[in-house]
Amino acid sequence: KAGVTQTPRYLIKTRGQQVTLSCSPISGHRSVSWYQQTPGQGLQFLFEYFSETQRNKGNFPGRFSGRQFSNSRSEMNVSTLELGDSALYLCASSQGIGPNTDTQYFGPGTRLTVL
Amino acid sequence: AQSVTQLGSHVSVSEGALVLLRCNYSSSVPPYLFWYVQYPNQGLQLLLKYTSAATLVKGINGFEAEFKKSETSFHLTKPSAHMSDAAEYFCAVTPGVSSYKLIFGSGTRLLVRP
Repeated sequence: KAGVTQTPRYLIKTRGQQVTLSCSPISGHRSVSWYQQTPGQGLQFLFEYFSETQRNKGNFPGRFSGRQFSNSRSEMNVSTLELGDSALYLCASSQGIGPNTDTQYFGPGTRLTVL
Repeated sequence: AQSVTQLGSHVSVSEGALVLLRCNYSSSVPPYLFWYVQYPNQGLQLLLKYTSAATLVKGINGFEAEFKKSETSFHLTKPSAHMSDAAEYFCAVTPGVSSYKLIFGSGTRLLVRP
């Protein structure tokens, strides 16, 4: 079974631009979460989706948005990019909505560099 | 609010020595606790998770962790370090059964000396 796929793997943008990152979960998984990883702030939770519904949102400005499609694929969008948005963006998927009987798998991440 | 503290941003051990990575948590509800490993330029791989079934949790690659409620700790151990264990390790907590909103510690980089 294929793992979590994130595209693109690397991305370079300039300040003020917007960007869309894509995540394809493992087949049969209906839950997708997103995280931002930076050297200064570490790993921070962005969003959690299940069956196209956003269940949780992290403490990020409104420039960060996301959505999930009916096939469970997810996208996140960052508008008006700032230098501080440079980070590794990680996507994770699971079958259900919690860890009691379920395991979450992470993708390799998208490395975003903002110049 | 929940939080996780990992003591030691860097830990260095000799190959074959005991690995001990420390994690303390703060939670107002029974927590679910995790250890993840990250190799350079890769995502996170789950080593093990605590879901209240047993306090001693065995994971992959010979790692295990013990949940100690009285000490609010969930330290990761491995009896004998291997060169391939060199990576960054993250402890994480989530509030309950119905969420994967993970709160991560700041990470510990494990160095293994030959």
